[in-house]
Amino acid sequence: AQSVTQLDSHVSVSEGTPVLLRCNYSSSYSPSLFWYVQHPNKGLQLLLKYTSAATLVKGINGFEAEFKKSETSFHLTKPSAHMSDAAEYFCVVSAENQGGKLIFGQGTELSVKP
Amino acid sequence: DTAVSQTPKYLVTQMGNDKSIKCEQNLGHDTMYWYKQDSKKFLKIMFSYNNKELIINETVPNRFSPKSPDKAHLNLHINSLELGDSAVYFCASGGGREDTEAFFGQGTRLTVV
Repeated sequence: AQSVTQLDSHVSVSEGTPVLLRCNYSSSYSPSLFWYVQHPNKGLQLLLKYTSAATLVKGINGFEAEFKKSETSFHLTKPSAHMSDAAEYFCVVSAENQGGKLIFGQGTELSVKP
Repeated sequence: DTAVSQTPKYLVTQMGNDKSIKCEQNLGHDTMYWYKQDSKKFLKIMFSYNNKELIINETVPNRFSPKSPDKAHLNLHINSLELGDSAVYFCASGGGREDTEAFFGQGTRLTVV
């Protein structure tokens, strides 16, 4: 069975400093992995996805993630945090042969200090 | 031009009542989903439908009954509401394959009092 573990429940950074949100996955096959963002009282928006093409994936709003099979990781990064980046971030894996069913990590709350 | 829209956005109701949440997508997807987000923000799938047929029922109580009149709509009806049903319910649609993302609605915050 597939699963994802987000290693930090809360990350706090200063505006203009780098962001690192950590995610490890478990899968018996080559997984499809996603990062979604949820702003307060909003729906979920796709930031980026990995589907066995390039291991470095670029997403919206300057975010990117690198798929590392040897480390079973898919960490999300951004060079310089914006105040508007403050939100909940979810690392997600697609379940095998289950019609696009998504399995979510526990979420990481990102705070950005001025 | 909303891709996935669900109504209502907020729903406050008493225990024992029956309520429905409606969902519509205009993305042309064959697959639609209901996800539940609990008070700790954990998201878990409840149901998925492909072209009006139930594909996944993730051990959800029988009080929850999804209905898909056509592939663009997936409604969620909940009977005999309980306090523990309080959560945010998200509708989503997608390509129905492992390599396709899901597009989510804005969510319905259900509060049972």
